This record gives sequence, structure tokens and C-alpha cells, in this order.
Amino acid sequence: GAGVSQSPRYKVAKRGQDVALRCDPISGHVSLFWYQQALGQGPEFLTYFQNEAQLDKSGLPSDRFFAERPEGSVSTLKIQRTQQEDSAVYLCASALTLAYNEQFFGPGTRLTVL
Amino acid sequence: QQQVKQSPQSLIVQKGGISIINCAYENTAFDYFPWYQQFPGKGPALLIAIRPDVSEKKEGRFTISFNKSAKQFSLHIMDSQPGDSATYFCAASIRQTGANNLFFGTGTRLTVIP
Repeated sequence: GAGVSQSPRYKVAKRGQDVALRCDPISGHVSLFWYQQALGQGPEFLTYFQNEAQLDKSGLPSDRFFAERPEGSVSTLKIQRTQQEDSAVYLCASALTLAYNEQFFGPGTRLTVL
Repeated sequence: QQQVKQSPQSLIVQKGGISIINCAYENTAFDYFPWYQQFPGKGPALLIAIRPDVSEKKEGRFTISFNKSAKQFSLHIMDSQPGDSATYFCAASIRQTGANNLFFGTGTRLTVIP
């Protein structure tokens, strides 16, 4: 079956632009996570959804970052007024339920802010 | 503050050799310890995972050794193959919080020389 998909795969933005990154989780997966992976580093947690409810957004680095999952499936991570330090790979992961720890990751969106 | 510390940063092993990657953590509430494998341009993929009630878990050529008292765990790759060349991340999470977001190490780039 299809895995987690993300689009676009690459995004170049000028500093100050708004961007929207999309995640399509595995069908039926309740949990959805967003992570930020800087070059040469491990992924860092941004936010978590259970169905449409955003239960944890403690990892979002600033109020310029906003995530939503309005119908409990597709999720969008939006970054307003992008800065150079926002350049990273943004990874989405989904998991079947809270009881299952295995997270399935998408290929990521590489964001470059010029 | 890095919740999970990983070493070495890079590792070069001859084909057929044993690759060993080490991780340490401080938070005793962690109760799930997975290892992820990541190839360039791809998202991390779960390799093997362990819970703290066992000291070792083996799946094929991959073994996790877990030392609860030392708060350390390691990945051993036996009979390393060139196809194992990738970046490996250890991680940890706390299941009972309900979020299960993963805390990743900084990664180890493994190169297996033919």
C-alpha cells in the first residue's frame, strides 16, 4: 500500500514569503507528527495530531509556524514570513494509533529560504 | 538540550565487519527505544526497537543491546554490507504521555567499504 507522501519535495522561498507543506498520511492512521530535520542532525519534534485534534505543539519554534489537520487525514504545515533559519527538511510521520509506537515517515520536504 | 546522545558521528567498516553505534539518555521515563535508518533523500525507516524490560533484541543481522542501569543502548550490525551504508538514528519516547513523539540522536553516518 501507499506510504506517507509529502509535497512539494523541494521548496525554495525568498525570505519573508509564506509557505505551505502538505502531508498525506497512511490511510486510517490516527496519529500524525511533524518533525524538522536540520542538515546533519536528527529530526526534532514540532507538533502532533490525533485525528483532527492538535494535542501537542510544544516543538513549534515560533508563532510563525502553524499546522492543521481539519478532517483528520491530510495535514498542512504553514510557515509565515520565512527566515533563513527555517531552512531544513520537514518530515511528516503517521502511526496507526496511540498504542502503536511505530511511526512511518514520509520522504520530507526540503525547504530552502534565500 | 539533547535528550538522546549518540556516538560516533561517523563510522567506516569493512564488508563483513561489525558496526556498533552507541546512545545514552537521561530521562528515565523513556520506555521505547527505536533505531531508524535513513538513506539520502528519504525519510527515516524503522529498523528495530526495544522496550526497557528486555536487555537484548535481535532481528536478522541487527541487534539492540540495552543497559537500563547505565541508561545506554546500542545497535550492532553483524556482517555489515555495502547496502547498509546509511545514516542511523537512535531515538526514545515516552508512551504514557500519549503523544509518543520521538526524541532523536544526532545520527551516525555508516560507510561499509566493499
